[in-house]
Amino acid sequence: SQQGEEDPQALSIQEGENATMNCSYKTSINNLQWYRQNSGRGLVHLILIRSNEREKHSGRLRVTLDTSKKSSSLLITASRAADTASYFCAGYGSARQLTFGSGTQLTVLP
Amino acid sequence: DAGITQSPRHKVTETGTPVTLRCHQTENHRYMYWYRQDPGHGLRLIHYSYGVKDTDKGEVSDGYSVSRSKTEDFLLTLESATSSQTSVYFCAISQTDTLNTEAFFGQGTRLTVV
Repeated sequence: SQQGEEDPQALSIQEGENATMNCSYKTSINNLQWYRQNSGRGLVHLILIRSNEREKHSGRLRVTLDTSKKSSSLLITASRAADTASYFCAGYGSARQLTFGSGTQLTVLP
Repeated sequence: DAGITQSPRHKVTETGTPVTLRCHQTENHRYMYWYRQDPGHGLRLIHYSYGVKDTDKGEVSDGYSVSRSKTEDFLLTLESATSSQTSVYFCAISQTDTLNTEAFFGQGTRLTVV
């Protein structure tokens, strides 16, 4: 069973635009993490937001968490071609391990 | 890639044969994990280890076993490979429980069972 479900499954935007990806999760979580995966590579951690936090920033990334709606969003501002990748949310909950969603494939067109 | 080496990187094997994948880390992290990644399923946890000789099952552990005899090595064994185990396998490590920290991932092993 997946903790998170990302929406949309695929997103295509022009360079310079903002990209927003959403994650909904099923059960209570202690933290939610976002990862990026470039084609053929392993996952790279982007940001961790705890259940008592509502918003967090890291460079061009902004993550929000709404525990009442069991949802999170990842915003990438001023996107670049190098941001093309798959993005995954992962929740740490009752399973006491990270459980990943199925990901959003982001394509940034030059 | 955070000092994580997976071997082999690619393998083709026949149904019914045993297969062992190796994950080696140079970070001295306590926790190590094996995930599999399949289209439409994201990453699913197979087994994890929280110390030498301390392991536990994940979401999709049937048909897999693991061993950790040293801090730096975590082995994943497919006891009798089946076509449903064709997948990309990722090893990950974390310094502590991922309640408080991130995981670092290896480059992956692409396994094909024919």
